[in-house]
Amino acid sequence: GDSVTQTEGLVTLTEGLPVMLNCTYQSTYSPFLFWYVQHLNEAPKLLLKSFTDNKRPEHQGFHATLHKSSSSFHLQKSSAQLSDSALYYCALSANYNVLYFGSGTKLTVEP
Amino acid sequence: ETAVFQTPNYHVTQVGNEVSFNCKQTLGHDTMYWYKQDSKKLLKIMFSYNNKQLIVNETVPRRFSPQSSDKAHLNLRIKSVEPEDSAVYLCASSGGGARDTQYFGPGTRLLVL
Repeated sequence: GDSVTQTEGLVTLTEGLPVMLNCTYQSTYSPFLFWYVQHLNEAPKLLLKSFTDNKRPEHQGFHATLHKSSSSFHLQKSSAQLSDSALYYCALSANYNVLYFGSGTKLTVEP
Repeated sequence: ETAVFQTPNYHVTQVGNEVSFNCKQTLGHDTMYWYKQDSKKLLKIMFSYNNKQLIVNETVPRRFSPQSSDKAHLNLRIKSVEPEDSAVYLCASSGGGARDTQYFGPGTRLLVL
């Protein structure tokens, strides 16, 4: 079946340092991969998603590269900001167009 | 700007009661979803509807029943709630394709006493 693994439950780092949140997946199909972000008491919203033409998606300084060989879609940012503190979900969509989410990574950025 | 609306925001009830949650989207999408976010923040698909028809039912207990009057509305009824039903229920909509962005509502938080 389809599944997503996020190995870090909690990540705490200092403002200005780089961010990398891990995401690996399993799917019988060729899925699309997404990163959703959920700020406190808000709805999850799309941060970025994979493309089929090998472009690297970027948004708000975040980027992720789909590596089919390693089934990974890690999220990266060169310099964390305080406003990046949130819950980040990696998700995949494949056969039935529903999202299968990872367990989420709570990112806390400290001054 | 909010385009997926959910009511109520919050509901407290007793074990065994029936509850209903409403969801409406103004994005013109054909596909709507219900997800459950539990106390550990695990987010799981429950149901998917395309143009009023049930597409996906992810092994949800039979006391849960989605209801759709038209493609812009998808409600969720829970007959005889259990303590483990305490969670945030998130409604979403999309164009229905695998790479389409899903837009989430603010959620309905259910507390079962």
